[in-house]
Amino acid sequence: DSGVTQTPKHLITATGQRVTLRCSPRSGDLSVYWYQQSLDQGLQFLIQYYNGEERAKGNILERFSAQQFPDLHSELNLSSLELGDSALYFCASSEDRALTTQYFGPGTRLLVL
Amino acid sequence: AQSVTQLGSHVSVSEGALVLLRCNYSSSVPPYLFWYVQYPNQGLQLLLKYTSAATLVKGINGFEAEFKKSETSFHLTKPSAHMRDAAEYFCAVSGNTGNQFYFGTGTSLTVIP
Repeated sequence: DSGVTQTPKHLITATGQRVTLRCSPRSGDLSVYWYQQSLDQGLQFLIQYYNGEERAKGNILERFSAQQFPDLHSELNLSSLELGDSALYFCASSEDRALTTQYFGPGTRLLVL
Repeated sequence: AQSVTQLGSHVSVSEGALVLLRCNYSSSVPPYLFWYVQYPNQGLQLLLKYTSAATLVKGINGFEAEFKKSETSFHLTKPSAHMRDAAEYFCAVSGNTGNQFYFGTGTSLTVIP
C-alpha cells in the first residue's frame, strides 16, 4: 500500500459527459501528479501540483483540468469525454518540489461508452 | 529534455534464469533514474532509483540496476527469476528539477515455469 488513495476505482460513462477523479496523497506529501495510461499511448504525464499550485504540465488536453485543494487532495476533471479517453488514470504524490520518489495510487479505470 | 527507451516490449525468461530488462536514457542534465513495477490491475510500485550516489543500485525483490553514464543505460537485472516477478516494468527519468517524470513504454516480463 503506497498510502495514496484514489476514488472511484472504476467509472463507466458516456461520450460527452464530465467526470471527476479524486486523489488523496500520502500524509505529508505536497506534490501530486496525474498520469494517463492507455494501451496505445503508454504512461503519459498530465500535470503536477505542488501545495495547491500548478507546477508542471505534460500532455494534458484542454478538456481536462485539475486542482489541488488546501487539504492537499487533488481532483482531475475530464469533460466532453470521448471514446479515446478510456484509460487508467493514476495519481502519484511525492514529498517536495525537488526530486523525490513518486508513490502511485491504485488508479481509476475510466470507460467511456 | 529527458526521455527513456526500453528495448523489448516483451521479455520471457524461465523460472530461475537471469532477468535483464534494458533501459537507455537521454538527458541534458544529470539524470535521476527509476524502475517501477506494475502488477496486473495495480498501480506502479517503486523498485529502485538512482540519484547520483552509488552507480549500482539495489532495490526490492532482489532486483538491481547499474547506472552506466558512458552507455547512457540503466538496465534492470535479477539473478534468478520467480513466477511472482511476472509484471510490467517501467523505466523513468527525471531531471534535477523533479517536476516531470518521463516513462518508457514498458516491458512485459513473462516467467515460464
